[in-house]
Amino acid sequence: AQSVTQLGSHVSVSEGALVLLRCNYSSSVPPYLFWYVQYPNQGLQLLLKYTSAATLVKGINGFEAEFKKSETSFHLTKPSAHMSDAAEYFCAVTSFSGGYNKLIFGAGTRLAVHP
Amino acid sequence: DAGITQSPRHKVTETGTPVTLRCHQTENHRYMYWYRQDPGHGLRLIHYSYGVKDTDKGEVSDGYSVSRSKTEDFLLTLESATSSQTSVYFCAISDRPGTNYGYTFGSGTRLTVV
Repeated sequence: AQSVTQLGSHVSVSEGALVLLRCNYSSSVPPYLFWYVQYPNQGLQLLLKYTSAATLVKGINGFEAEFKKSETSFHLTKPSAHMSDAAEYFCAVTSFSGGYNKLIFGAGTRLAVHP
Repeated sequence: DAGITQSPRHKVTETGTPVTLRCHQTENHRYMYWYRQDPGHGLRLIHYSYGVKDTDKGEVSDGYSVSRSKTEDFLLTLESATSSQTSVYFCAISDRPGTNYGYTFGSGTRLTVV
């Protein structure tokens, strides 16, 4: 079964600094991978998704993620953090079991951005 | 959120009482899901539906039941609420869950069991 692990439940950066949120996946088949963002008291919003067409995926708000099969990773980055990036970020993978596909989430990483 | 609404948005209930949460979509998507979100656990799948009257259990289904009598509505029932079911509940929809299209999420229901 597919799964994801997010390293670091809390990450703190200064405004303008590089953001790096780590996600490793486990999958016996080529995975479909996603990053979602959740702002306080809101639902989840799709940030970006991996398609097999390109290993470097660009998303909204300046975020991007690189799919590395050899490392089974799909880390999320942003060159320069903004205060508005403070949120919780979830990595997810599509899992096929019981005859149907489901989305399996990591535990989440809360990003804090300091002035 | 893209034609998906959850009700109520907030609810406080007493231990032992039944509670029903509603998810309504206007996208005509076949697949619907209920997740719960708890600190340190991310989102965990409770139940899902792959069509009218077709439902199945997720990883944390104990104490929950679901029903889907119409394409647009997916109900989650806590048969006898317990404090461990205090959580934020999210509904999601998808028309192609086995692809890279992802899911669309509702705004969530914050449930407190006292």
